[in-house]
Amino acid sequence: GAGVSQSPSNKVTEKGKDVELRCDPISGHTALYWYRQSLGQGLEFLIYFQGNSAPDKSGLPSDRFSAERTGGSVSTLTIQRTQQEDSAVYLCASSKTGTTNEKLFFGSGTQLSVL
Amino acid sequence: KQEVTQIPAALSVPEGENLVLNCSFTDSAIYNLQWFRQDPGKGLTSLLLIQSSQREQTSGRLNASLDKSSGRSTLYIAASQPGDSATYLCAVYPGSGNTGKLIFGQGTTLQVKP
Repeated sequence: GAGVSQSPSNKVTEKGKDVELRCDPISGHTALYWYRQSLGQGLEFLIYFQGNSAPDKSGLPSDRFSAERTGGSVSTLTIQRTQQEDSAVYLCASSKTGTTNEKLFFGSGTQLSVL
Repeated sequence: KQEVTQIPAALSVPEGENLVLNCSFTDSAIYNLQWFRQDPGKGLTSLLLIQSSQREQTSGRLNASLDKSSGRSTLYIAASQPGDSATYLCAVYPGSGNTGKLIFGQGTTLQVKP
């Protein structure tokens, strides 16, 4: 597609429920990234995909968080048993090959609110 | 541990003024530094990317400089316009590994008044 697409744009859920967030990167981009933006914390790296594998998942905050990427394209970030502290904007980005000097292209994010 | 700091946190200027946003980082071992713009409710838009071997990059009214040894970068905006109102974020790519782990500052929220 023309840009990085994320869905849903907004998600309200109850504490304890599972949620799935979707990211559709720019067509042909092999590298995909998930970041989280919360008040007071700024932007935090969660996970990086190169193709379908995740060389770096060091930013995932707990084992309730998982992500996968299939077909080298769409990625889903799953949060199990959501907690109020999971409330944040979850941003996805992609780049062409993932080399260090490439610009990242970000989606508009999913605003997650856990009640 | 790499830390990125942006000063000021917020800035309000009249239209037409030239302005400078500051970014500092604690570890000079970086691959590059990037400046992003974020509009409310939107994702980030990459503005400028300065490689570690470069001193500055320019795009239109924007000029970003990098002094790696002192751990500083500035974003200069010339002849500011109301459309420049947004949050500006700087981020560094640490000099180890190739993992997409950009380290972001907290951002400077700019308001340009007509």
